[in-house]
Amino acid sequence: QAVVTQEPSLTVSPGGTVTLTCGSTTGAVTSGHYPYWFQQRPGQAPRTLIYDTSYKQSWTPARFSGSLLGGKAALTLSGAQPEDEAEYYCMLSYSGAHVLFGGGTKLTVL
Amino acid sequence: QLQLQESGPGLVKPSETLSLTCTVSGGSISSTSYYWGWIRQPPGKGLEYIGNIYYSGSTSYNPSLKSRVTISVDTSKNQFSLKLSSVTAADTAVYYCAHRAYWGQGTLVTVSS
Repeated sequence: QAVVTQEPSLTVSPGGTVTLTCGSTTGAVTSGHYPYWFQQRPGQAPRTLIYDTSYKQSWTPARFSGSLLGGKAALTLSGAQPEDEAEYYCMLSYSGAHVLFGGGTKLTVL
Repeated sequence: QLQLQESGPGLVKPSETLSLTCTVSGGSISSTSYYWGWIRQPPGKGLEYIGNIYYSGSTSYNPSLKSRVTISVDTSKNQFSLKLSSVTAADTAVYYCAHRAYWGQGTLVTVSS
């Protein structure tokens, strides 16, 4: 079975830019994996930031964007705010409607 | 806007079957070609995809849970359900139902005697 990979932790300075990535052990991530990105703050349910690679929800701050980068899905945060400190999960869909989550990236704004 | 709400017992005994229901409002469970899913998160750990179902009844399960999981849909009630059999303490988690970008708030299920 495939494994979805994410950086365990990243740090960004307030106002800075950081890119989180989401890879697959089966090969390059493509739009056909319909990548999702979720943000989860402590004690809260995950909320969807990005779906289908790059589409935003109505509540997604403009500073977040999704893309494909170097064979991976990517979530870029431009102009980090203290409230962006959270755990970020990506999710990929495989054939047969099989879905996998990455292990999560703990983002620190410091 | 679509809303999902999980419901079910918060405490299940070891070896018994965990049963949860997700009630959908703000839209029809039959009106979409996208699947309806269950996800769980053990305390302090990451997200784990349990499985999903289309309104037609077609299902897909996490291979690691497949032997114990059943997901069903009741279009007349606009609900879909999860059953997980032979539970152990390792199945203690917050269980979420979800559809595309929309998630329920989650419900904590503890497995304990």
